[in-house]
Amino acid sequence: ETGVTQSPTHLIKTRGQQVTLRCSSQSGHNTVSWYQQALGQGPQFIFQYYREEENGRGNFPPRFSGLQFPNYSSELNVNALELDDSALYLCAQRGDGTDTQYFGPGTRLTVL
Amino acid sequence: SQQGEEDPQALSIQEGENATMNCSYKTSINNLQWYRQNSGRGLVHLILIRSNEREKHSGRLRVTLDTSKKSSSLLITASRAADTASYFCATAPPSGSARQLTFGSGTQLTVLP
Repeated sequence: ETGVTQSPTHLIKTRGQQVTLRCSSQSGHNTVSWYQQALGQGPQFIFQYYREEENGRGNFPPRFSGLQFPNYSSELNVNALELDDSALYLCAQRGDGTDTQYFGPGTRLTVL
Repeated sequence: SQQGEEDPQALSIQEGENATMNCSYKTSINNLQWYRQNSGRGLVHLILIRSNEREKHSGRLRVTLDTSKKSSSLLITASRAADTASYFCATAPPSGSARQLTFGSGTQLTVLP
C-alpha cells in the first residue's frame, strides 16, 4: 500500500462526454503526476503539477487538463472523450528531493 | 512514446528459479527505476539505481545498469508464486524539474508453483 488513493475505481462514459478523475495526497508529497496506461502497454506521462502549477507535460492534447489543490490532492479532466481514451489512469506522487514515485491503484476508464 | 523495451515480453519459470528481465533505453538518464504491477492495478516501486551506480541490491532483487550500453537488468532470485506480475523499467531524464518517468512496455512474469 502506497497510501495514495484514486477515485472512482471504474468509470464508463460515452464518446464526447467529459470526465474528472481524482487523486488524494500523502503529507509531504507535493509533486503529482498523471499517467495513462493502455491495455498491454507501459504507462505514458500526461502531465505533472508542483505546488498547484503544471511544470511538465507529455504528448497529450489540451483536452487533457489538471488541477492541484492547496492540500496537494489533484484532478485529471478529460473533455470530448474518444474511444482511444479507454485506459487505466494512474496518479503518482513524490516528495521534494526524492525520485521515488508512489502510485495509486488507478482508475479504469472505458469509453463506449 | 516508450523510452525503452523490456526483454523478454513474457517469462514463465518454476518457483525457486531465478528470473532475469532486461531493459534497454534510448536517451541519457538521471536514474532508472523498476516497478511491479499486479493485474492492471497500481505500480509498486521496487528499486532505483542512479546513473553513476552499476549495481544495487534489495532483498531478493539485484539490479545492474550499464549506461554505455543504455541497458539495465533486474534479477529476482528464488522466485515465488507471489512474484507473478508485470515488471516495468522507467527512466528519469538527467535535468529539469519535471523528472517525468518514461516507461518501457513491460515483462509479464509468471511463476509456477
